[in-house]
Amino acid sequence: EPEVTQTPSHQVTQMGQEVILRCVPISNHLYFYWYRQILGQKVEFLVSFYNNEISEKSEIFDDQFSVERPDGSNFTLKIRSTKLEDSAMYFCASTGRGHLETQYFGPGTRLLVL
Amino acid sequence: AQSVTQLDSQVPVFEEAPVELRCNYSSSVSVYLFWYVQYPNQGLQLLLKYLSGSTLVKGINGFEAEFNKSQTSFHLRKPSVHISDTAEYFCAVSDRNSGGSNYKLTFGKGTLLTVNP
Repeated sequence: EPEVTQTPSHQVTQMGQEVILRCVPISNHLYFYWYRQILGQKVEFLVSFYNNEISEKSEIFDDQFSVERPDGSNFTLKIRSTKLEDSAMYFCASTGRGHLETQYFGPGTRLLVL
Repeated sequence: AQSVTQLDSQVPVFEEAPVELRCNYSSSVSVYLFWYVQYPNQGLQLLLKYLSGSTLVKGINGFEAEFNKSQTSFHLRKPSVHISDTAEYFCAVSDRNSGGSNYKLTFGKGTLLTVNP
């Protein structure tokens, strides 16, 4: 069964450093999302992406964040200058035609900012 | 705007006992409803969803949920749990009318179900 994959599974970085989180959505899916879950808190929507454009972004998704689909398979989330409060689990999700409302999630990347 | 409340942060039960995990939502628009499960050290897996039609929906692993529009609830049930059901369960909603490019999900805080022998 096709699945969403994410790399790396864990990343430790120093405050102020740039990180890129990578996702490979399910093949032929066209709609992509990033969410994050700070330890002990809710899973929160960050951004949605379709046709090489951001569809919607949350208040969390400020100028330090960006998303890109650099090729036909990868979907990336970049944090330009990480802060301590960016420490969280980041989930990628995708949906495809016929079931646009149903999101399939990757296993997540646990980011720790020191 | 939508919000989801999962009334119980933790639910301990014994193996083979029935369980109900409660979820209530608030929304000014019609919604789709979902339950996701997160096993330890894994990602979010879709358990079941309500889109339309019958208000009782069945999912994987013997779980079912009932949509109650008047009570704005979508409680998850299983008649007999196994130790392997130990996981965190998340209720989520999305705006039914938001359009294909953005069915963003609003999640509850999650309920940790612990099944004891």
